[in-house]
Amino acid sequence: DAKTTQPPSMDCAEGRAANLPCNHSTISGNEYVYWYRQIHSQGPQYIIHGLKNNETNEMASLIITEDRKSSTLILPHATLRDTAVYYCIVRVVTNAGKSTFGDGTTLTVKP
Amino acid sequence: EAQVTQNPRYLITVTGKKLTVTCSQNMNHEYMSWYRQDPGLGLRQIYYSMNVEVTDKGDVPEGYKVSRKEKRNFPLILESPSPNQTSLYFCASSRRTSGGSTDTQYFGPGTRLTVL
Repeated sequence: DAKTTQPPSMDCAEGRAANLPCNHSTISGNEYVYWYRQIHSQGPQYIIHGLKNNETNEMASLIITEDRKSSTLILPHATLRDTAVYYCIVRVVTNAGKSTFGDGTTLTVKP
Repeated sequence: EAQVTQNPRYLITVTGKKLTVTCSQNMNHEYMSWYRQDPGLGLRQIYYSMNVEVTDKGDVPEGYKVSRKEKRNFPLILESPSPNQTSLYFCASSRRTSGGSTDTQYFGPGTRLTVL
């Protein structure tokens, strides 16, 4: 699986959009981009995933660059409960379950 | 309710005493995985399983064993635990999609293991 690079930490004001970047410059054509978050020491929670088109769900939006070498997770109106570690991972479409998480970005939403 | 359960949630043991952490999912998922998480580090995959009787090593398999005799269960076995296996452990499951890929992972609540 391709390696991902994320900033170690970011701050965001409550109510503002949080934009979390992820670099995956070695991504291959059959790899999806997934985002998860982990609040405190709970089990990680799935947020969104995509292959090459932008995606949106009730939690967030995912913007993938045209060359697919980077992506941005957007939380449109961050709340204090969005404070968490956010992980960007890439997974091969036909993989057998192999999954590599990086160090993630600690997002702190401030009042 | 769809969920992944792990037992025990907390465990303190001593070096060399064999232990098993159980993981069970009720979603009929084909794929299951074990991860460990240490302070300041992300999640590292220990082992994963593609289906019953099919398992493979992740990034940090040393010192661990797994088995997949039933689809819903994927126990993690530490034959001779050592202090460097003190960690927070997560089990996860995901379904196999029609295209052969794995879908999103559902994680259990975690097991905090301390080996003295």
